[in-house]
Amino acid sequence: DQQVKQNSPSLSVQEGRISILNCDYTNSMFDYFLWYKKYPAEGPTFLISISSIKDKNEDGRFTVFLNKSAKHLSLHIVPSQPGDSAVYFCAASSGANNLFFGTGTRLTVIP
Amino acid sequence: EAGVAQSPRYKIIEKRQSVAFWCNPISGHATLYWYQQILGQGPKLLIQFQNNGVVDDSQLPKDRFSAERLKGVDSTLKIQPAKLEDSAVYLCASSSSSGANVLTFGAGSRLTVL
Repeated sequence: DQQVKQNSPSLSVQEGRISILNCDYTNSMFDYFLWYKKYPAEGPTFLISISSIKDKNEDGRFTVFLNKSAKHLSLHIVPSQPGDSAVYFCAASSGANNLFFGTGTRLTVIP
Repeated sequence: EAGVAQSPRYKIIEKRQSVAFWCNPISGHATLYWYQQILGQGPKLLIQFQNNGVVDDSQLPKDRFSAERLKGVDSTLKIQPAKLEDSAVYLCASSSSSGANVLTFGAGSRLTVL
């Protein structure tokens, strides 16, 4: 049972444009959401997070939006840079418990 | 600060053989996790330790997988006997009490079972 879903396995964007990565979840008990970025042969690294009490969190070029009623979150990267090319995982948890991960979206930023 | 250390990085074994992976978390991180990531999927939790006690091992195939965290620091994950479907990257992660939801991952140990 996949509680966190990333329906787009890949995304290609031109350098300088906006990248939008989407994530849906089914468990209404989730109250904390994170995005991780993964380069080949490395472990996932934390990128940005958002609590369910907020609907937006921004950190430099990265912004995460949360729509609780739709059980949907998105990661916006603007402007996109070639170094952003990686696999992005959405993850969710309830309380201080286990993270449930999506299947990932491979972002390619074309110079 | 030093990151999460894992070894070996790569391991190839025949089915029915055994294998062990080692993890040393970030110093001071009380919580340690082992995740399994099969190609094309997201990481899936196998076991979570709080200090040297098990918090969650509900997804650990206990007939073949075992894990321990002696002295509440480093940890070992063992598979015996291995099956073809165990081919995956085994990721170790740790978190502090204050940042419980933010896990820091190691580079992973890639297992290929032939």
